[in-house]
This record gives sequence, C-alpha cells and structure tokens, in this order.
Amino acid sequence: GIQVEQSPPDLILQEGANSTLRCNFSDSVNNLQWFHQNPWGQLINLFYIPSGTKQNGRLSATTVATERYSLLYISSSQTTDSGVYFCAVERNSGGYQKVTFGTGTKLQVIP
Amino acid sequence: DSGVTQTPKHLITATGQRVTLRCSPRSGDLSVYWYQQSLDQGLQFLIQYYNGEERAKGNILERFSAQQFPDLHSELNLSSLELGDSALYFCASSPQGRGIPYNEQFFGPGTRLTVL
Repeated sequence: GIQVEQSPPDLILQEGANSTLRCNFSDSVNNLQWFHQNPWGQLINLFYIPSGTKQNGRLSATTVATERYSLLYISSSQTTDSGVYFCAVERNSGGYQKVTFGTGTKLQVIP
Repeated sequence: DSGVTQTPKHLITATGQRVTLRCSPRSGDLSVYWYQQSLDQGLQFLIQYYNGEERAKGNILERFSAQQFPDLHSELNLSSLELGDSALYFCASSPQGRGIPYNEQFFGPGTRLTVL
C-alpha cells in the first residue's frame, strides 16, 4: 500500500516562530488533507488540498502532487498550535477510495 | 464543532465483551468512515459506508462490524474484545456524492474505549 511519511516527527518551537511540516507520499493520490489533533484528541480539519496552495490565517499549505509531497506552514506560532499534525491521503485501490494517515508531527509551542 | 456526533465519549469494559459505538454524520452527508487510533498503530482506516452500503474496507478485524442505517447514522460493533482493542475510535463524514466530487472528511470527537 501507499506509504505516507511526515517530518519532522517532533518539533519544539518558541512562541512566535515559524515552521514547515512536510508530508511525503509514495504514490499518486486523489485527495490530501491536513489535520490538527489538539491535546484533547479532537481532529480538526485544516486544509483539503489535493494540489496547489491554500491559506487560512497564519496557516498555509502547498501540495505538489507531481512530486508527491505536501507542506504545511505555520507562521507566528502560538501555544494553541500545540498538538499533532497529520496529513491523510486518499487513493483509489481496487475500485475503492482508501485513506491512509501519516505518522504525524508532534508540535510543542512554548511561551 | 464539526457537526459529527459520536456516543458514548468514554467506554470501559472487560475482555470478551461486546460494545456498540454510534456516529451521526453531518446533516446531508452520505458517507461515513470509521477509524481507530491506538498508541502503537497510529490512525488506521477501518471501514466506509455510503448511503447504507459498504464502500471500502481497511484494516478492520473480523471481530468488528459496522452498518449504516436509513437515517444515515452508523454503528461500529466490536465483539470478543481484547486488551489491544483499547483505542480512540473516530467517525468521519463526507459530503462526497451529493453532487460534490471531492471527499473532504469531517471528524467527530471520538469514543475512547478502554478494555480491562
């Protein structure tokens, strides 16, 4: 099956710093989403981005489908950004669309 | 709030028992997905239903089953529970199929299952 790797696995930032999280996938995909799992376990949609670039406030994401990677940018980080960031890809397999999550990047923003 | 609801929030049970987790999708969403998140396996796709029919299967054990009812809510049944089934179980829904080609998924708050 498709492999989805995220880097770095862990990241500690000072409040106000910027960061880039990466998601590499081993095969072509139909869809890609970024999620933030907060410390209470809730999975929050950040971006639905199978290709191109999107921005939402301090966050932006870029997916280059032809090169099989996606980037999530966090600018001016805040303590509320702490948690785990997942990318999830969807690929047609045997006539079905199957979703595979990456292993996540655990982000800690310290004041 | 994603609009997806899951009950119960927490469930504690014993090995060998059977439990049912419930999910109500966002209003109008036809697709429901179930995921398991455990410490050692990460987030794993279990199964998808679309308008009452099974659409895709992931890493779902034979002891687990699911269904989607005519009102579109879904239930995940876990039987002969083992210690390793302790995990966070998420449900997600998607608008795909309502004339919407893409498959953005919206997650519920999860059910935390503890098997003792």
